[in-house]
Amino acid sequence: DTAVSQTPKYLVTQMGNDKSIKCEQNLGHDTMYWYKQDSKKFLKIMFSYNNKELIINETVPNRFSPKSPDKAHLNLHINSLELGDSAVYFCASSQPTGAPLYEQYFGPGTRLTVT
Amino acid sequence: QKEVEQDPGPLSVPEGAIVSLNCTYSNSAFQYFMWYRQYSRKGPELLMYTYSSGNKEDGRFTAQVDKSSKYISLFIRDSQPSDSATYLCAMSAQGAQKLVFGQGTRLTINP
Repeated sequence: DTAVSQTPKYLVTQMGNDKSIKCEQNLGHDTMYWYKQDSKKFLKIMFSYNNKELIINETVPNRFSPKSPDKAHLNLHINSLELGDSAVYFCASSQPTGAPLYEQYFGPGTRLTVT
Repeated sequence: QKEVEQDPGPLSVPEGAIVSLNCTYSNSAFQYFMWYRQYSRKGPELLMYTYSSGNKEDGRFTAQVDKSSKYISLFIRDSQPSDSATYLCAMSAQGAQKLVFGQGTRLTINP
């Protein structure tokens, strides 16, 4: 029973295109995240949503737009894709607000390649 | 300067060896210290966490935190080929809304 799922798993596209990645969690968590992991494995937070409300936006180009239709879903739309956007994008969720933040549950990742 | 520094390796050791992985950090507000393990082509998963200073042991794994030196370690005893993965340290402050990750150390245990 998958806890955090992402689709698609792989995405190959050309520069200038627009693409979306979807994420769903069935853990009942309030908070969801998008991370970008570059080729050197550095995991950097991009956005965080708590109960559909944006709470973290980490200096990400506005070509990236997250959307949370409900607290179990967090999608990421990317406009005008650039070569530098090639990376693995991870969705994650964590336990309810107010609890100590130490555990996040990650999805399997979406490997985005921009050519 | 990054808030959390971790030697990216790669680190390659023979099976059965003791492995030491380390991170340093600069933010004295960090209270929760975590180690995540990431297998190839998978998402990271929590291995261990420690609150404030001290040691924590779980089977072959021991996590140590030295807040005075702003230094954390993960020791793996009797390392196994199945331990081959990237290990990421992560930290958060009390009431924090995000984790801050180190770069990750790629570890290979050779049979």
